[in-house]
Amino acid sequence: NAGVMQNPRHLVRRRGQEARLRCSPMKGHSHVYWYRQLPEEGLKFMVYLQKENIIDESGMPKERFSAEFPKEGPSILRIQQVVRGDSAAYFCASSPGTENTEAFFGQGTRLTVV
Amino acid sequence: AQSVTQPDIHITVSEGASLELRCNYSYGATPYLFWYVQSPGQGLQLLLKYFSGDTLVQGIKGFEAEFKRSQSSFNLRKPSVHWSDAAEYFCAAGGRGGGNKLTFGTGTQLKVEL
Repeated sequence: NAGVMQNPRHLVRRRGQEARLRCSPMKGHSHVYWYRQLPEEGLKFMVYLQKENIIDESGMPKERFSAEFPKEGPSILRIQQVVRGDSAAYFCASSPGTENTEAFFGQGTRLTVV
Repeated sequence: AQSVTQPDIHITVSEGASLELRCNYSYGATPYLFWYVQSPGQGLQLLLKYFSGDTLVQGIKGFEAEFKRSQSSFNLRKPSVHWSDAAEYFCAAGGRGGGNKLTFGTGTQLKVEL
């Protein structure tokens, strides 16, 4: 059973471009979470999704950021018009349920905005 | 507000020595509690978790943690540290019913001296 797969592992974008980060959850997992890790900091929750639904987006910046988890295919975190402050590691986690379950994390996507 | 505090940013121990990493949480009710380890450039690996029941939790790689409700703590321990344990350790908490929307501490960087 493959783990949580994130791609790309490293992404370089110029200021003003769009960044698309993909996350394929573990097989059988229908809950996906996105976290951001800034340098020298812990992980900060961004958004929680189930198939075709956003459950909790309380950690998402109000502008330029969006996330989806379609019925088919990976979850996508999209950052429009990137700025230098968006440079960070973005981690995806998945779990099979909500109670008494643990989340499994991917290797992360390291976004660098130049 | 929910929070997780790891008071020690850096800890250095000698190989073979015992280790204790501190974690305190502030939540409305007893949360789910986790310890993760992160090696440089890598994702997070779950060491152990507490959902309910026995307050002493055994994890992988010889780690254990003790949940103390009276102190709102969930400290991680290992009786004898190995050089390969050098990494960053994160304590995290999640609200019951909130799935794996986790609040992370800022991490403790562990250095092991040979």
